[in-house]
Amino acid sequence: AQSVSQHNHHVILSEAASLELGCNYSYGGTVNLFWYVQYPGQHLQLLLKYFSGDPLVKGIKGFEAEFIKSKFSFNLRKPSVQWSDTAEYFCAVNSGAGGYNKLIFGAGTRLAVHP
Amino acid sequence: ETGVTQTPRHLVMGMTNKKSLKCEQHLGHNAMYWYKQSAKKPLELMFVYSLEERVENNSVPSRFSPECPNSSHLFLHLHTLQPEDSALYLCASSQGSSGANSYEQYFGPGTRLTVT
Repeated sequence: AQSVSQHNHHVILSEAASLELGCNYSYGGTVNLFWYVQYPGQHLQLLLKYFSGDPLVKGIKGFEAEFIKSKFSFNLRKPSVQWSDTAEYFCAVNSGAGGYNKLIFGAGTRLAVHP
Repeated sequence: ETGVTQTPRHLVMGMTNKKSLKCEQHLGHNAMYWYKQSAKKPLELMFVYSLEERVENNSVPSRFSPECPNSSHLFLHLHTLQPEDSALYLCASSQGSSGANSYEQYFGPGTRLTVT
């Protein structure tokens, strides 16, 4: 069965620090990969996605992620975080198995950025 | 605002009550989903509807009963729930249920359910 693993459950950073959140998935076929973010009290929203092509994808708010197929990884990065980046981040994978859309989510990483 | 609304935003119910959660999408999508979000656990996909037809039921107990009367509306009917069913229930929609354009899902704000 497919699964998604996020290595850090809680991350605490100071403003301007660099961020990298790990995400690994288990599925041997073609996958589509996503990072979603949930700000406090708000709905889940898409941060960035990878379907094909350049494995380095750029998303909103200065975030980027790199798909490394050989490592089954899709880590999220940001060179300099801001207090407003405090949120919970979810990695998700979709394989299209079964012919319909099915997202498998990781457990999430809660990021706290201190001023 | 994602174009997906959910009501109510908060619900407290006893184990013998019957209640329903409502989801509405204004995006012209034809696939809708129910997820359960519990603390410290990954989002769990509960049900998938494509063109108003249920295409996945992820071993969800029968005390949860979904209904999709049309492509814009999705309900989750609840009865005789257990305290462990307390969670945030999220609705999502996507353009289709298969194909590249279908993969992006748009989420509603969720209903925070507490079962007492």
